[in-house]
This record gives sequence, structure tokens and C-alpha cells, in this order.
Amino acid sequence: AQSVAQPEDQVNVAEGNPLTVKCTYSVSGNPYLFWYVQYPNRGLQFLLKYITGDNLVKGSYGFEAEFNKSQTSFHLKKPSALVSDSALYFCAVRRYNNDMRFGAGTRLTVKP
Amino acid sequence: DAGVIQSPRHEVTEMGQEVTLRCKPISGHNSLFWYRQTMMRGLELLIYFNNNVPIDDSGMPEDRFSAKMPNASFSTLKIQPSEPRDSAVYFCASSPGGSSGNTIYFGEGSWLTVV
Repeated sequence: AQSVAQPEDQVNVAEGNPLTVKCTYSVSGNPYLFWYVQYPNRGLQFLLKYITGDNLVKGSYGFEAEFNKSQTSFHLKKPSALVSDSALYFCAVRRYNNDMRFGAGTRLTVKP
Repeated sequence: DAGVIQSPRHEVTEMGQEVTLRCKPISGHNSLFWYRQTMMRGLELLIYFNNNVPIDDSGMPEDRFSAKMPNASFSTLKIQPSEPRDSAVYFCASSPGGSSGNTIYFGEGSWLTVV
């Protein structure tokens, strides 16, 4: 089965500090991995994706993610967190048959 | 550029009533997805279509749920009869066809409350 896991329900960081939101995957073949963000009462917004190529992927709002094949991870990172980054973050894998499966989500809180 | 458009944004209905949620995908997108989000179960894929054809409806919870895509620019998700446990946020999403590497874009959701 192809899936992703987000081991942390909640991540708290102070504004200005680096942040990491973790994701591990279980995928046969080449994975297509995605990160989305959801603000309160809104839909999911695409942040970035890994298809192939460079292991470090840069996305919207200063976020980046590192694909690590040996650790089967795709952690989301940002060098300096903002209070406005507080939201629900989802890791996802798009499967060979074209649908997309999401992790349980990680709630990021950035404190001033 | 218009994104995925869903209606209604909010609906409160009584148990037993029929509910119809509507979706207009992004123009030119070949794939359309219906997801449900709840606190308990997170994001669940209900059904998805490629070129207006349902491909996988294994996520549809019961026969009370049905989805159609009569043309490339419109889809509906219907619940009949509705029950309180159907209360959730229902998202429609679309993506270009041709590759699983394409991004899926979400609408703002339809917030359903069944009382």
C-alpha cells in the first residue's frame, strides 16, 4: 500500500526559529510527494512537490522540503517561522492510479 | 484564474433530507476528486473521475452517497437520505490529466451540518 505518515500531531515553534514538519512515506516505485497547507475554514493550498531530480524542493511562502530516499522521508522546513505560518499541514502521496492520499495532518503553531 | 468552485459553502439540513453538493473544476483539468474531512477520520477520498468517468468509488461510505460528472465542467455529490454522521467538510479538487506528478487543486469546501 502506498501511504504517508505524519508522526507529530502538533509542532510548536517560536517566531524566527527554524521549523520542521515531518513526513515519512511508504511507496513502491518512484514517489510523487506533496505538501499542502490548510488555514482555518479554508481549502487546502498547494505548497510544493517532489517528482524527480533535486532532493531539495523549494515552494511557496519560503517553505522547502527535502526528499530522503534512504530514510523514506519528505520533511517540510522553513528557516525562519512566522506567526502567520500557523496552520494545518498535510503531506500527501499521489499514487500510480492517479488518486492522492493524505497524512493525518500536523498542526503548526508559531508563537510570537 | 478561477480555481475550483464549490457550492453551497455552508449547508445546514435536517436528518433525512437530500443534500446536493456542486463542483466546477478548473477549466482544462481532466481529473476530479471528492474528499471528505472530519476531525475523527481526517481527509478521506470518496471518489474520483478521469475524463468524466468514475475510476474509483471505493471510498464512498454507503449507498446513500452518489456522485456524477455529466460533463467536464460540473460534478455533484449527493447524499440521500442525510444523517448527522455525514456532517463534515466536503472538498472537490481537480488536476490536469496525464501524470500522477500533476498537482491537485482544491476548492474552498462545502461545510455540511446535518441536525
